[in-house]
Amino acid sequence: QKEVEQDPGPLSVPEGAIVSLNCTYSNSAFQYFMWYRQYSRKGPELLMYTYSSGNKEDGRFTAQVDKSSKYISLFIRDSQPSDSATYLCAIPQKTGGNKLTFGTGTQLKVEL
Amino acid sequence: EAGVAQSPRYKIIEKRQSVAFWCNPISGHATLYWYQQILGQGPKLLIQFQNNGVVDDSQLPKDRFSAERLKGVDSTLKIQPAKLEDSAVYLCASSLTSVLQFFGPGTRLTVL
Repeated sequence: QKEVEQDPGPLSVPEGAIVSLNCTYSNSAFQYFMWYRQYSRKGPELLMYTYSSGNKEDGRFTAQVDKSSKYISLFIRDSQPSDSATYLCAIPQKTGGNKLTFGTGTQLKVEL
Repeated sequence: EAGVAQSPRYKIIEKRQSVAFWCNPISGHATLYWYQQILGQGPKLLIQFQNNGVVDDSQLPKDRFSAERLKGVDSTLKIQPAKLEDSAVYLCASSLTSVLQFFGPGTRLTVL
């Protein structure tokens, strides 16, 4: 079983839709949960991060962690064409210097 | 604040040739990471430095890959000799806190 699993998509939605992106993880010891956005031919950009369980909101973006089911989500409200990118969940491993274990990334396209 | 700088942005070489990538982290960031991102996958850690010491190089193919960070600032990653399967984007990231990592634009390597 992979430590972090993510549906690669692609996911295509109309402009204005609510988008739900999800990952599952296997190690219950994980504490921090990150979301990166990666535009084509660019490096990953840190979008949001959460610590432990609960929700965190930043503008149109909400990150949610459910530690009981080892499930993390990123919601995008009022999606825009500029949100079209690959979204990567990532979890730092406390042992080994906080190296990030990434999901495969979900490719999102928001269409006009 | 300037971000992580990487060069070159693109490199095309033939198999068995050697190649080197350069990274300049965000000023003051003691931790530096090199990740490999194969098309359609999330980044995978190759090596992590804390100042000029290696913290984790367990995933670095040491028979062909080497990396150094001699003065605790800039870093170079070298591949010698390159194989076809080394075609990927090589991402450098830096961190002040270790949990929050900031990525450069990457170097896209094509091995023919």
